[in-house]
Amino acid sequence: QKEVEQNSGPLSVPEGAIASLNCTYSDRGSQSFFWYRQYSGKSPELIMFIYSNGDKEDGRFTAQLNKASQYVSLLIRDSQPSDSATYLCAVNLSAGGTSYGKLTFGQGTILTVHP
Amino acid sequence: DGGITQSPKYLFRKEGQNVTLSCEQNLNHDAMYWYRQDPGQGLRLIYYSQIVNDFQKGDIAEGYSVSREKKESFPLTVTSAQKNPTAFYLCASSITGVGQPQHFGDGTRLSIL
Repeated sequence: QKEVEQNSGPLSVPEGAIASLNCTYSDRGSQSFFWYRQYSGKSPELIMFIYSNGDKEDGRFTAQLNKASQYVSLLIRDSQPSDSATYLCAVNLSAGGTSYGKLTFGQGTILTVHP
Repeated sequence: DGGITQSPKYLFRKEGQNVTLSCEQNLNHDAMYWYRQDPGQGLRLIYYSQIVNDFQKGDIAEGYSVSREKKESFPLTVTSAQKNPTAFYLCASSITGVGQPQHFGDGTRLSIL
């Protein structure tokens, strides 16, 4: 089992719809969760982070965390063609107590928003 | 403006050659990181440093070396021992501490001649 796993893509949604991106992680003790957006040929850009169970909203983006299920998701409301990118989930795994500052990334989900 | 500067943007390596990728930040961050990204893949950690003059191996350190002589700088050398160096290399920095978000430079794309 991969330490951080994202739902396989690519994901295609129509403009204006809600895009739902999912991520599961293996270490139950993980504390910090991040979503990055990466446009083709560019570097990752931080869009959301969440530390506590529940929802965190920022504009059209909502991050949802369920530590009991070891699951974090990103919802993008009113999706726009400019949201088309690869979305990377990153987790600060706590296994072994040596994860200080380290992030483990999922393989990414490609999102396409079509007009 | 504060940020992370990686250079060069594109780099070509000949067989048997060592090359060094530059990473400089003016964010006053203590922690710095090097990742490798292959097409269609996530990021894999090569090396990281939490403080000047100290660094640790990540998940794929073989064939790479780093130094951290200054807080602002964390250069990565891709040695000839790295047999498959073609990839997108990303440098990141963060405030020290568990759970701090990392911010990335624009990356260096390395190819074999």
